[in-house]
Amino acid sequence: AQSVTQLDSQVPVFEEAPVELRCNYSSSVSVYLFWYVQYPNQGLQLLLKYLSGSTLVKGINGFEAEFNKSQTSFHLRKPSVHISDTAEYFCAVSDRKETSGSRLTFGEGTQLTVNP
Amino acid sequence: KAGVTQTPRYLIKTRGQQVTLSCSPISGHRSVSWYQQTPGQGLQFLFEYFSETQRNKGNFPGRFSGRQFSNSRSEMNVSTLELGDSALYLCASSLDSTFYGYTFGSGTRLTVV
Repeated sequence: AQSVTQLDSQVPVFEEAPVELRCNYSSSVSVYLFWYVQYPNQGLQLLLKYLSGSTLVKGINGFEAEFNKSQTSFHLRKPSVHISDTAEYFCAVSDRKETSGSRLTFGEGTQLTVNP
Repeated sequence: KAGVTQTPRYLIKTRGQQVTLSCSPISGHRSVSWYQQTPGQGLQFLFEYFSETQRNKGNFPGRFSGRQFSNSRSEMNVSTLELGDSALYLCASSLDSTFYGYTFGSGTRLTVV
């Protein structure tokens, strides 16, 4: 079984400031890692994913994340945020095994609020 | 190309009734998953269908069921509705598995009164 902990439920920042949203995971097997964003009254949109290879993953909208196997973390970063980045962000993991690699386990979410 | 389409967007039902939600995946996607999102429990996996077969199942009571048709469209059914079933139900589709990424629909907001 896997679990995901997002360390901050709310992160307020000013426009053009850098931001880091923290995510730790626990799993007894190898996993894939994901970050999703949810805007109000909408579904989830995939920001980026780590499958293998380079531990630094670049996604859409200027976001990137770094996979740290020893610390079992997958923190999301953006060097300069915009008002439009205000949304809820979810970290998720899934099992690498083919038969069970269709289930995403999500963290509780981090509400990012960008203030002018 | 068209995204994942969920219908209806909003639904109000009475306790004890049953409800059916529909999901049309992206063309060519054979895996369809369902999630329940509530303020208290967050995002929880309900089940996943692949080529008309349930391949994966979460920890929900038997009142929650689903199916997938030959064109990959999926339906989810909840019988004997309870107040706690009020939630946003999200459908997601993928070519095969999380490796290929899941695309989510906008969800169906179910309110049980």
